[in-house]
Parts: sequence; C-alpha cells; structure tokens
Amino acid sequence: DAKTTQPPSMDCAEGRAANLPCNHSTISGNEYVYWYRQIHSQGPQYIIHGLKNNETNEMASLIITEDRKSSTLILPHATLRDTAVYYCIVRGLRSGGSNYKLTFGKGTLLTVNP
Amino acid sequence: EPEVTQTPSHQVTQMGQEVILRCVPISNHLYFYWYRQILGQKVEFLVSFYNNEISEKSEIFDDQFSVERPDGSNFTLKIRSTKLEDSAMYFCASSEGPRTEAFFGQGTRLTVV
Repeated sequence: DAKTTQPPSMDCAEGRAANLPCNHSTISGNEYVYWYRQIHSQGPQYIIHGLKNNETNEMASLIITEDRKSSTLILPHATLRDTAVYYCIVRGLRSGGSNYKLTFGKGTLLTVNP
Repeated sequence: EPEVTQTPSHQVTQMGQEVILRCVPISNHLYFYWYRQILGQKVEFLVSFYNNEISEKSEIFDDQFSVERPDGSNFTLKIRSTKLEDSAMYFCASSEGPRTEAFFGQGTRLTVV
C-alpha cells in the first residue's frame, strides 16, 4: 500500500472549517484514499473515501488533486467533538490477495479550540 | 444505525491464560478484521477473514492467535497463552465487500498481568 504523510498536529477554531492535508505521492491507479478518525481510544470511525473525484457526505468533504498525489479532508464547521486523530489511508489490493486491509499511520491530531 | 459490537469492553487476565474476544459484525457484512492498538501506538492490522478462512494475516498474528466464526453472527479472536505484551485495545471491524468501508467496534481493552 502507498505511504501517506500527514502533519502530526493541527489546531482549528470551533465553527471554522478544518482542512487536513495528506500526501500520497506513490498512490497507484487502483488505490482509494480513505479517511478515518479516532476519538480518545475509541474504535476508528469511518469518515469518507474516494478514488479520483471529490466526495462529500454528511460528515466531511474529500478533495483529491488531479494527479491524485495529495488530498484534503474538510470538516466544514468544526465542533469540539471533532477533536480526534485523523488518519489518511491509501487502500489497495494486496498482490494476489482478495482483501483490502487498512494500514494506519500516526495520523494528525486535530484539536478544535473554543 | 447498525454497528459492530464487541464484548467484553475490558478483560483482565493472568499471563499464560487463554482469552477469547468476541465480536458481532454488522449483519450483512462478509469481511471481518481484527486490529490491535498498544497504548500510545498505532492501530495495527492482525488478520482478515472471509468465507470462513483467513485472507491475510500480519507478522503479529502468530501461532498463539486464532480466529473463528463459530455461528452466523459471532467472530472471535482467541489468544492461547497470553503474554504481558499482548496488553492492548483489540478492535474488530467488518465490511460488506472487500473494497467497501470497514466499520469498527468500540474495542476490548485486554490487560495481561
């Protein structure tokens, strides 16, 4: 799976948009970009994923650059409850395999401040 | 909203004892996973399971670990002879398909003393 690079931490003011960047310059054509978050030591929570088009759901928007080498997760109106570690994961098919495991890195600790 | 449930939420066991961690995946999901997270460290993949067999396992998943789907609803992780270093949060996850999003349970905190 392609490696991702994220800043270790970011701050955001409550009510503002939080923009979390991720670099994945070695991504290949069949690999998706997934975003999860983890609040304290709870189970990772799925946020959104995409292949090459921008995606939006009720939680967030995902912007993927045209060359697919980087992406940005956007939380449009961050709240205190959005404070968490956010993981950008490139998910692909293991050679000869049939399963797509998620490989977690260290992620970005987003702190939303009042 | 359907969710993955794990029991127990916290398990304390003596070194050398066997433990079984239980998970009920989302009902129409066919792909199942176990991950673990040692305190302060990354979430690590252990094993994936589909069609009653292991699809992939990591180096962590050695002979002391086993997984089973004993009936139509449960998915279990067994650690045969626990070691101190097995102390961690263990997360179960499931997905409908191999490429669809995986949903995680809230985890079981295993403490080996």
